[in-house]
Amino acid sequence: GAGVSQSPSNKVTEKGKDVELRCDPISGHTALYWYRQSLGQGLEFLIYFQGNSAPDKSGLPSDRFSAERTGGSVSTLTIQRTQQEDSAVYLCASSLDGYSGDIYEQYFGPGTRLTVT
Amino acid sequence: RKEVEQDPGPFNVPEGATVAFNCTYSNSASQSFFWYRQDCRKEPKLLMSVYSSGNEDGRFTAQLNRASQYISLLIRDSKLSDSATYLCVVNIGDTGGFKTIFGAGTRLFVKA
Repeated sequence: GAGVSQSPSNKVTEKGKDVELRCDPISGHTALYWYRQSLGQGLEFLIYFQGNSAPDKSGLPSDRFSAERTGGSVSTLTIQRTQQEDSAVYLCASSLDGYSGDIYEQYFGPGTRLTVT
Repeated sequence: RKEVEQDPGPFNVPEGATVAFNCTYSNSASQSFFWYRQDCRKEPKLLMSVYSSGNEDGRFTAQLNRASQYISLLIRDSKLSDSATYLCVVNIGDTGGFKTIFGAGTRLFVKA
């Protein structure tokens, strides 16, 4: 079956522009996660959705970042007024469920490589 | 202090060697634990979950010590294909707030 897909795979944008990144999770997965990975660094957790709800948005780096999920499926991560330090690979993952006391594997998409010039 | 800390690496080992990675976590509310593997310029993939009783999958053994807040991964009979970055992962929280914390990773190079 289809895995997690993300688009675009690469995005080059000018500083100050807004960008929108898309994640299409595995069908039936209720939990969705966004991460950021800078070159040579570990993954930074940004936000988690259980269904359409994101109970904790404190991981988003600044108020220029926002995320939404509609219909319990596709999610978009929007970065407004991009800065050079936003350059990174943005990874999306999905799992059968999020917090439920159970252990569920997160399946990752291939990521969107964002370069802000 | 980082919430999840790993051995800095890199580990350079010959084929056939046994290698162990350690990971500590600081939040006692941590609930579930994993080891992921990430190849260069690829997305992370689950290697194995970590259970309190310890678990083994072929050449890989994972251990969890909740009292010491410590996780380990042992790889026996290393193969060239084991070369990758190994990520220690911790889930923290509940329905009011939940996050997944990845360690910075430990790089392993297995050489012929």
